[in-house]
Amino acid sequence: AQKVTQAQTEISVVEKEDVTLDCVYETRDTTYYLFWYKQPPSGELVFLIRRNSFDEQNEISGRYSWNFQKSTSSFNFTITASQVVDSAVYFCALTRGYGSEKLVFGKGTKLTVNP
Amino acid sequence: GAVVSQHPSRVICKSGTSVKIECRSLDFQATTMFWYRQFPKKSLMLMATSNEGSKATYEQGVEKDKFLINHASLTLSTLTVTSAHPEDSSFYICSAPRLQDTQYFGPGTRLTVL
Repeated sequence: AQKVTQAQTEISVVEKEDVTLDCVYETRDTTYYLFWYKQPPSGELVFLIRRNSFDEQNEISGRYSWNFQKSTSSFNFTITASQVVDSAVYFCALTRGYGSEKLVFGKGTKLTVNP
Repeated sequence: GAVVSQHPSRVICKSGTSVKIECRSLDFQATTMFWYRQFPKKSLMLMATSNEGSKATYEQGVEKDKFLINHASLTLSTLTVTSAHPEDSSFYICSAPRLQDTQYFGPGTRLTVL
């Protein structure tokens, strides 16, 4: 069975601080995909990144970066120089297929960035 | 812009009535769509997989007769909450995978049953 664990329920930081959101996953599949989504108060899920199990390269997109380590089954997400607009709930998710399979979500981490 | 739409975005109904929620893929066809449910401050739980041209696949514990799913076309799936009760109040979100791409989520429907 697949499982995603986001141990941090809530994180609060002050603007401009760096913050890392942890994600640990479990799967028996050799091919799988990991995702991060952002859910602002409006409720809509915003896609941030997809990473497949064969690509362990870290990725950076602006202030966002992701660290994928298969050895520890982790896919952590770092926001550099956080801003108030980053306040949201962030979900890590796992799927067996490229994108056509159901997603298994972690419980989410609520990030609050204070001015 | 949005690639998956949901309608309505918010609905309030009386207990015992049925509510239909539509999920549309806007610029691509989706033979499969997914319906998730999210309780306040909780994660998303998959309810069912909607399959175009065949019956939906429900997750364990989800009542098929309660949550009717119809994948009417390659761009439309509907979720009908039948005889709604206050415990059905929740945030319902659909998603559709775009070929060789990722899953895109609709904006969600907030259902409140009085």
